[in-house]
Amino acid sequence: DQQVKQNSPSLSVQEGRISILNCDYTNSMFDYFLWYKKYPAEGPTFLISISSIKDKNEDGRFTVFLNKSAKHLSLHIVPSQPGDSAVYFCAATWGGGYNKLIFGAGTRLAVHP
Amino acid sequence: GAVVSQHPSRVICKSGTSVKIECRSLDFQATTMFWYRQFPKQSLMLMATSNEGSKATYEQGVEKDKFLINHASLTLSTLTVTSAHPEDSSFYICSASAGPKGGYTFGSGTRLTVV
Repeated sequence: DQQVKQNSPSLSVQEGRISILNCDYTNSMFDYFLWYKKYPAEGPTFLISISSIKDKNEDGRFTVFLNKSAKHLSLHIVPSQPGDSAVYFCAATWGGGYNKLIFGAGTRLAVHP
Repeated sequence: GAVVSQHPSRVICKSGTSVKIECRSLDFQATTMFWYRQFPKQSLMLMATSNEGSKATYEQGVEKDKFLINHASLTLSTLTVTSAHPEDSSFYICSASAGPKGGYTFGSGTRLTVV
């Protein structure tokens, strides 16, 4: 039972354009969502997060949008750069930072010149 | 920012031997640490949640006698893969929580190969 779903295994975007990565969840208990970037054979690196009391959080080129009614969140990267090429994982949790993270399957982003 | 150190980064061991992986929070105290496993091109699957001073909570399907977790201090958790077999070969990653506003910080991972 996948509680966090990333239905697009891969995404290819031209440098300078916008990258939009999507994530859906099923568990209404989730109240905190995170995005991580990961390279092969390395641990995930935190990018940005959002609490369920917000619908948008922005940090530089990264913006996360949350639509609670649709149980959907998305990560926007603008402008996309070749260095953004990696696997992006969406994760969800509840209870304010002490509970486990549930990860989606990941989306491989390729940003080409 | 919060830093989690994980060692070793890669290890090759013979089938039947045990391997210990360490996870340390360097600049914060982590009452809770998490151990994940990742197979190639797959997601991170939570194996267990480790709380300082108490027994770890294992996810369904994870053998607690095979994957021994010890969280003896607020800055150190260890995962021991006992009697390792080739099917245990995987990428193991730890994570530590610094509390509600500290987020979750991940170690750099350990590539285990059992031959």
